[in-house]
Amino acid sequence: ILNVEQSPQSLHVQEGDSTNFTCSFPSSNFYALHWYRWETAKSPEALFVMTLNGDEKKKGRISATLNTKEGYSYLYIKGSQPEDSATYLCAPTGANSKLTFGKGITLSVRP
Amino acid sequence: GAVVSQHPSWVICKSGTSVKIECRSLDFQATTMFWYRQFPKQSLMLMATSNEGSKATYEQGVEKDKFLINHASLTLSTLTVTSAHPEDSSFYICSARGTLAGEKTGTQYFGPGTRLTVL
Repeated sequence: ILNVEQSPQSLHVQEGDSTNFTCSFPSSNFYALHWYRWETAKSPEALFVMTLNGDEKKKGRISATLNTKEGYSYLYIKGSQPEDSATYLCAPTGANSKLTFGKGITLSVRP
Repeated sequence: GAVVSQHPSWVICKSGTSVKIECRSLDFQATTMFWYRQFPKQSLMLMATSNEGSKATYEQGVEKDKFLINHASLTLSTLTVTSAHPEDSSFYICSARGTLAGEKTGTQYFGPGTRLTVL
């Protein structure tokens, strides 16, 4: 799987704002979609993995949706907090289970 | 659970020397480990996949003789950058996928990465 696009590249929001990111990927040869959160100087942390069209996952204030037919996933953060500041990576996989990463979206939440 | 450590976190070396980076799964057995490289403002790029006890599979364009990978046990993989040159300066990060109870999603668990600078 090639050409994984994430937008926007960076985002600066105020504490309490809700925000959302987009991950676009080729819909052919799709197997799963992974989202990771990567804080500076730490290991990327697995957030969600989704496989089925229409999947929705939620973890606290963060949720994600998946559209495999049109090749995109949305990540939502409700009521952003400074601790949400991180780079958010998406990575679809094909049947070979190899992760193909986008460049990531850097979120900065101002107190 | 699912903690992966990586050592060293940063290294500076002279051109022509070799550098070894270790990746360990601390609380699970990693049947497969992956090595990625990230250049500034670029995405994480898979370099190679290693399965315990067998030879690593390298991605196209990655020189296997330059980036030696050893996955001798279910908890340890090493990447050796041989005869390093300034163009090898990059951020190297490993991940592990294993046999955690109930783990069927194929999720990879990442180490914190190693910043390599070759002078």
